[in-house]
Amino acid sequence: SQQGEEDPQALSIQEGENATMNCSYKTSINNLQWYRQNSGRGLVHLILIRSNEREKHSGRLRVTLDTSKKSSSLLITASRAADTASYFCATAGSNDYKLSFGAGTTVTVRA
Amino acid sequence: GAGVSQTPSNKVTEKGKYVELRCDPISEHNRLYWYRQTLGQGPEFLIYFQGTGAADDSGLPNDRFFAVRPEGSVSTLKIQRTERGDSAVYLCASSPGGPKQFFGPGTRLTVL
Repeated sequence: SQQGEEDPQALSIQEGENATMNCSYKTSINNLQWYRQNSGRGLVHLILIRSNEREKHSGRLRVTLDTSKKSSSLLITASRAADTASYFCATAGSNDYKLSFGAGTTVTVRA
Repeated sequence: GAGVSQTPSNKVTEKGKYVELRCDPISEHNRLYWYRQTLGQGPEFLIYFQGTGAADDSGLPNDRFFAVRPEGSVSTLKIQRTERGDSAVYLCASSPGGPKQFFGPGTRLTVL
């Protein structure tokens, strides 16, 4: 079973615009990660936020975490065509090795 | 250095056959993970190795699935008596420890 749910399922934006996607989860977590997947193959780690953190930045990425609402958001600023991909949130509990993924948000960036 | 590699990249087999999927992790990574991903879904955890031992195999769906990592590096996921429902992309990941995982490109298994 999957822990997280991403919203929206799909997102289409113009190059240069910002993309925001959300993730909700059910049980308490140790950390939450975001991964990107191109063409249904390997995942690439983007960013990790720990349960005691509220916001984190990495380049054009901004992640927030609200443990009281069991939700996280990923913002990609100034999107590029190369950002076209599926984005997944993954949570880990006390067993930090066992990632539980949501179904993902498919982002299409139009040139 | 090289990332995680998986072979074959695609495997087509017939129902009832046996298949082996191979994962070569990043060389200094002690931890290795297998996940399975079906269309439109995120990866689902199958098994986790720390060194040579399977520390958690709670995600293996049934006893037709088995994985080994005899020397603490390369791992093989073995599926006996394949069923059409086993069709998926099988992803391998490795890590040196800690929560961040490094994924391979996956093996797409199709059971006819």
